Amino acid sequence: QSALTQPPSASGSPGQSVTISCTGTSSDVGGYNHVSWYQQHPGKAPKLMIYEVSKRPSGVPDRFSGSKSGNTASLTVSGLQAEDETDYYCSSYAGSNNYVFGTGTKVTVL
Amino acid sequence: QVQLQQSGPGLVKPSQTLSLTCAISGDSVSSKSAAWNWIRQSPSRGLEWLGRTYYRSKWSNDYAVSVKSRITVNPDTSKNQFSLQLNSVTPEDTAVYYCARGTIATGFDPWGQGTLVTVSP
Repeated sequence: QSALTQPPSASGSPGQSVTISCTGTSSDVGGYNHVSWYQQHPGKAPKLMIYEVSKRPSGVPDRFSGSKSGNTASLTVSGLQAEDETDYYCSSYAGSNNYVFGTGTKVTVL
Repeated sequence: QVQLQQSGPGLVKPSQTLSLTCAISGDSVSSKSAAWNWIRQSPSRGLEWLGRTYYRSKWSNDYAVSVKSRITVNPDTSKNQFSLQLNSVTPEDTAVYYCARGTIATGFDPWGQGTLVTVSP
């Protein structure tokens, strides 16, 4: 099972928006609406930000939103803040009781 | 509020067995709506889902193909925890290991604090 493809980096100025892509195949991202996104600060465990493509867990700001088109899912962070600068990972169900993660994207707030 | 607390050694010798435990508070390992997962992260392999255990009408396990021949994930209902055993480890198994609650529908949340396991003589 190959990892989902994310851009290594993305950036935006405070207050602007940044969108991170997560590209898979019809066997994972394109085949199921079970895509989730995680935020990971250095030395910390990942934190769930989005599940089921576009649902936000309680406590996650509505600045974070998710979507999917075909084999590509996207995470958009609107109104960028300094604390959003960190690593983000996508994940998808891949069938046969298996999961796959993305390669990770480092977001920089300029 | 669900919390997961990991424990286990940080150093394992090659060919030996890696063993970690994840203690659950705020939920039950026997919950019929949850699954209990192990995930690892390394610079070379990134984030990698390893396996899970869950209870519906009986206990079930699912494992990643990459480790299926070497992994066991077991529940311990008496202590409300679950464990990971990975046999015949090599230096490639060096990683930060996380436990996490999660199903297909919910994503992985929450996660344990992570345990750096180094495989070295």
